[in-house]
Amino acid sequence: KQEVTQIPAALSVPEGENLVLNCSFTDSAIYNLQWFRQDPGKGLTSLLLIQSSQREQTSGRLNASLDKSSGRSTLYIAASQPGDSATYLCADLGGSQGNLIFGKGTKLSVKP
Amino acid sequence: NAGVTQTPKFQVLKTGQSMTLQCAQDMNHNSMYWYRQDPGMGLRLIYYSASEGTTDKGEVPNGYNVSRLNKREFSLRLESAAPSQTSVYFCASSEIVIGYYGYTFGSGTRLTVV
Repeated sequence: KQEVTQIPAALSVPEGENLVLNCSFTDSAIYNLQWFRQDPGKGLTSLLLIQSSQREQTSGRLNASLDKSSGRSTLYIAASQPGDSATYLCADLGGSQGNLIFGKGTKLSVKP
Repeated sequence: NAGVTQTPKFQVLKTGQSMTLQCAQDMNHNSMYWYRQDPGMGLRLIYYSASEGTTDKGEVPNGYNVSRLNKREFSLRLESAAPSQTSVYFCASSEIVIGYYGYTFGSGTRLTVV
């Protein structure tokens, strides 16, 4: 059974820093890897999706990579801004029912 | 705007009461899902529907029932609410083809059972 772990659970950085959020998987047979953002009291917003045949995806200041051999994905945020403050979740589209298997998230706080 | 709509946004129930959470999507997706999100537990799958007319249990189905009314709508029913069902409930839809967009989530229903 796939298990997804996100480290750290919380992260606080000053504005302008580049940062990396980590996601690891127990089963390297990853189908699709998706990163989400969740603002307090809100739903999930999809940020990036990496197909199993891909190694990375980029959108603006965000870059997500996937290393299936090591069972890891990273989300790189460049030049962080206070508006980036949120919880970031990674998920593997590897559930037997076609469902997502989520990590517990990293709560990011970017201080002005 | 295209997306997943959930109602209600907030609800307080007394133990033993029943209610139905509504979900509708307008993206013509085949698959729909109900998740619950609890502190320290992450998001867990309750039920899913791969297509209109089919439903299946997920990881935590006890105490819930679902109905896939048509392709757009997927409802979640609590027949006799318990305090352990206090949670945030998310509906999601997806089209299981390899593509960029993946899943789309609703904004959630925050349920408190007292």
